[in-house]
Amino acid sequence: EVVLTQSPGTLSLSPGERATLSCRASQSVANSYLAWYQQKPGQAPRLLIFDASIRATGIPDRFSGSGSGTDFTLTISRLESEDFAVYYCQQYGSSPRTFGQGTKVEIK
Amino acid sequence: EVQLVESGGGVVRPGGSLRLSCAASGFTFDDYGMSWVRQTPGKGLEWVSGINWNGGSRGYADSVKGRFIISRDSAKNSLYLQMNSLRVEDTALYYCTRDGGGGYSYVKSDYWGQGTLVTVSS
Repeated sequence: EVVLTQSPGTLSLSPGERATLSCRASQSVANSYLAWYQQKPGQAPRLLIFDASIRATGIPDRFSGSGSGTDFTLTISRLESEDFAVYYCQQYGSSPRTFGQGTKVEIK
Repeated sequence: EVQLVESGGGVVRPGGSLRLSCAASGFTFDDYGMSWVRQTPGKGLEWVSGINWNGGSRGYADSVKGRFIISRDSAKNSLYLQMNSLRVEDTALYYCTRDGGGGYSYVKSDYWGQGTLVTVSS
């Protein structure tokens, strides 16, 4: 199965700063079938980005995704208070779908 | 508005059984594949099982194959997970998810329920 490694484990930033999260796959992700999810405490994950770079419905344009092959990035251009959360990447280009271990974005 | 509401979680002894349910609303249930995904503090998020739009194709993670059975009822707009021979390592929060297409493979989970907690303990 495809192993996804996210880095860093924790990102400490201030509101207004730019966040860059990485997701690296153990093998190439077919068709760039890579999604990003946001999870806040006590809530279910929420889809942010799919197919590596397409924002899901209702997601603000400060969230953007990029990458292909084995290296993918989620960028939050200017952090707002509601963006402090844990972010997971997931690949669905091969079976089984697998998730990264998560990156926590915390307030500095 | 898409809503997925899970139920059926609880505490069960190792070797026991449990049936999870997920009531879906706000979309045409028969148009979408559905999946169960579980989450633990130690292992993170893990896709458990998926079923296509008409129930004709099902898939399972190796960790649950032969023990869990996924099914759906279009008349009730509901998804189910029959969990047998439960193990301590099955303890997790189980989410019902809608898959972004008619199948359960090669698709993302675009909507998630709030989850139901399963605890396997003696």
